[in-house]
Amino acid sequence: DTAVSQTPKYLVTQMGNDKSIKCEQNLGHDTMYWYKQDSKKFLKIMFSYNNKELIINETVPNRFSPKSPDKAHLNLHINSLELGDSAVYFCASSGRGGTGELFFGEGSRLTVL
Amino acid sequence: AQSVTQLGSHVSVSEGALVLLRCNYSSSVPPYLFWYVQYPNQGLQLLLKYTSAATLVKGINGFEAEFKKSETSFHLTKPSAHMSDAAEYFCAVSDPGTASKLTFGTGTRLQVTL
Repeated sequence: DTAVSQTPKYLVTQMGNDKSIKCEQNLGHDTMYWYKQDSKKFLKIMFSYNNKELIINETVPNRFSPKSPDKAHLNLHINSLELGDSAVYFCASSGRGGTGELFFGEGSRLTVL
Repeated sequence: AQSVTQLGSHVSVSEGALVLLRCNYSSSVPPYLFWYVQYPNQGLQLLLKYTSAATLVKGINGFEAEFKKSETSFHLTKPSAHMSDAAEYFCAVSDPGTASKLTFGTGTRLQVTL
């Protein structure tokens, strides 16, 4: 049983399109995240939700909109895609206690042409 | 603001040799420190973490790391490399007050040769 699952795993699209990535976790965690990994493998946090409430919102273009319908799901919608949005997007979750152990999904590789 | 610096974007060792991956941190408060591993086409997996208890931390797969406050370092070691250790390794830091907001280093790719 996959703990943190993301769909789709691969996404190829044209500039200007709108796309969504979905994430679900079955670990019972309260907190979920989106991270972006660029072509140089650099990982940067984008958003974090705790029990459906946005708690971290880094400097990200407002074309990116997260949505958490419940604490087990965190989706990422991207409007008007640009070439620079090409990256691997990782969803992660963490439990209560906050010792920093994140459980990551396998990533969604977005390629914008 | 917190940050980590990983020295060496690429490290190559022979199978059976010592693995040493370097990480230095910068933090205005006593930090939490982590090492994560990423195998090809997979997400990151926690190897070990330091959260202000013992300074020598043991993790999975025979890895360990030592927190040295005087050197602001948290280097990752393994006595004997195995082919299956080939992966990307990330050091990360967080503030205990916001423990799950991790700042990652730029990663070190470990290559293991025969």
